[in-house]
Amino acid sequence: EPEVTQTPSHQVTQMGQEVILRCVPISNHLYFYWYRQILGQKVEFLVSFYNNEISEKSEIFDDQFSVERPDGSNFTLKIRSTKLEDSAMYFCASSNGLAGVNEQFFGPGTRLTVL
Amino acid sequence: KQEVTQIPAALSVPEGENLVLNCSFTDSAIYNLQWFRQDPGKGLTSLLLIQSSQREQTSGRLNASLDKSSGRSTLYIAASQPGDSATYLCAVSTDYKLSFGAGTTVTVRA
Repeated sequence: EPEVTQTPSHQVTQMGQEVILRCVPISNHLYFYWYRQILGQKVEFLVSFYNNEISEKSEIFDDQFSVERPDGSNFTLKIRSTKLEDSAMYFCASSNGLAGVNEQFFGPGTRLTVL
Repeated sequence: KQEVTQIPAALSVPEGENLVLNCSFTDSAIYNLQWFRQDPGKGLTSLLLIQSSQREQTSGRLNASLDKSSGRSTLYIAASQPGDSATYLCAVSTDYKLSFGAGTTVTVRA
């Protein structure tokens, strides 16, 4: 069964460093997303991406964040200068985008720890 | 802004009992509603998706209902097992993004 994969599973970084989180969405899906979950809190939407551009972004997704689909299979989230409050589990998701259906499938997550 | 609430926050039942998990949302203009399972420190597993035009969806021991006009969904899990212990999240879809509830943490005692 096709699934969304994410690497690495755990990333530890120093405050101020850049990190890139990687995702391989399900191959025939057209919509891609990033969400995050701070420990003990709700899962929060960050950004959606379609046709090589951002469809929607939340207020969390400021200039420190960027997304890219560098090739036909990968989808990345970059945080330019990490802060302590960026520590969270980051989930990638994908969907085929069929209107009214649009079931989103999530990857296992990358746990980001900023020291 | 869409707000999603799940009640109760936690639930502990003996094995074999049926589970009833509630979800409410403030904006009824949704595309669909998904129920997810999350095990500690793990990702989200999609359990059921109900389209906005549907009232009910079933998968094995799971049944989810949707009353869009009143902004409510209920997930029923029949004959609970210890392996059902997890956090269950409700999420509503508007404009292709999901808004999540905080979840109900279920413990099924053997």
